[in-house]
Amino acid sequence: GQNIDQPTEMTATEGAIVQINCTYQTSGFNGLFWYQQHAGEAPTFLSYNVLDGLEEKGRFSSFLSRSKGYSYLLLKELQMKDSASYLCAVNDYKLSFGAGTTVTVRA
Amino acid sequence: GAVVSQHPSWVICKSGTSVKIECRSLDFQATTMFWYRQFPKQSLMLMATSNEGSKATYEQGVEKDKFLINHASLTLSTLTVTSAHPEDSSFYICSAHKGLAGGPSYEQYFGPGTRLTVT
Repeated sequence: GQNIDQPTEMTATEGAIVQINCTYQTSGFNGLFWYQQHAGEAPTFLSYNVLDGLEEKGRFSSFLSRSKGYSYLLLKELQMKDSASYLCAVNDYKLSFGAGTTVTVRA
Repeated sequence: GAVVSQHPSWVICKSGTSVKIECRSLDFQATTMFWYRQFPKQSLMLMATSNEGSKATYEQGVEKDKFLINHASLTLSTLTVTSAHPEDSSFYICSAHKGLAGGPSYEQYFGPGTRLTVT
């Protein structure tokens, strides 16, 4: 089966940095996605890692270690609009999602 | 771009009735579409994988006779919730795969979701 774990909630201050960890144990692996989801909306794509290492895209970066079954999403220079749920999803020709991490950004 | 639409965006129906939700890929052809369900404060759970012109593949625990999926064209898949009950109230999200059928789901684009409330 698929087991994908991420923290339930995180709180940070505007302008700060937050790191959301995701660990996974899955039967197959063809990459890992990070999505952002605002309440009542569909997920929007943030990043995709298939090889080990860090992928940087503006204020968001994502890291993957396949040997450790571990990834993290790094959000820098937090803004109020970054308050959302962040979903880690493992790609095995279909997506298996973690439960999501709700990030609250405070002024 | 890759735009996926869903209709309706929200629906309220009475217990025992059926509801159809449409998922359309507007600017690309999708050989594969996925249907997810999301309960409040929970993550997306894959219900079924739908390939154009063939029967959908349902995930374990999803009743295929209750959740009817039709993928009649490369741009349209429908999910019909038959004999809906209050416990079926949820957020239903579709996604469309832009790549080759059976290929990795890298290029998967989500629709805006449909909020179903069964009274």
